[in-house]
Amino acid sequence: EDQVTQSPEALRLQEGESSSLNCSYTVSGLRGLFWYRQDPGKGPEFLFTLYSAGEEKEKERLKATLTKKESFLHITAPKPEDSATYLCAVQIAQKLVFGQGTRLTINP
Amino acid sequence: DTAVSQTPKYLVTQMGNDKSIKCEQNLGHDTMYWYKQDSKKFLKIMFSYNNKELIINETVPNRFSPKSPDKAHLNLHINSLELGDSAVYFCASSPVSGDVYNEQFFGPGTRLTVL
Repeated sequence: EDQVTQSPEALRLQEGESSSLNCSYTVSGLRGLFWYRQDPGKGPEFLFTLYSAGEEKEKERLKATLTKKESFLHITAPKPEDSATYLCAVQIAQKLVFGQGTRLTINP
Repeated sequence: DTAVSQTPKYLVTQMGNDKSIKCEQNLGHDTMYWYKQDSKKFLKIMFSYNNKELIINETVPNRFSPKSPDKAHLNLHINSLELGDSAVYFCASSPVSGDVYNEQFFGPGTRLTVL
């Protein structure tokens, strides 16, 4: 069965403390892996798409990487405004299958 | 200039009622979606339409009926509302090029509370 699992469920960091979020997947026919950011009371906001193992994408303090079994979202020197829930999703045929998200809190 | 908009933002209603949620996108995308996000924040696809044609129906009760009058609009009508229907419903749209499904753009969500 196609499955997407994110860890940890919640993560608290101090401002400037770098870390990584994990998204592991067991799917057949992966067509793409997506990272989204979701702020409370809002819809998910697109961050990155990764299509093949070895691919990396960067945006400000965020960097996403992809292997054949998992993706990491690395956050370098985070700021309080990076606090949000980060969602990973895999494209399977015509639909996105989401993980349960990682709730990230950055303390000043 | 909102890309994907939904109305209403909040919907509180009694069990057994019928309600509708509207969605519009001004991005020119061919594909639109409805998702349900439960209390544990788990986001799950319900329906997908491509150029007004239903392409995904994820074992959703037939009390839920999507309607796409044109490719910029996808509405969701729910009959005989139940307590378990309480959730946040998100509309999304995306451009599709052949077999490549690009990123989806989400609306702000509609929080449905069934009493």
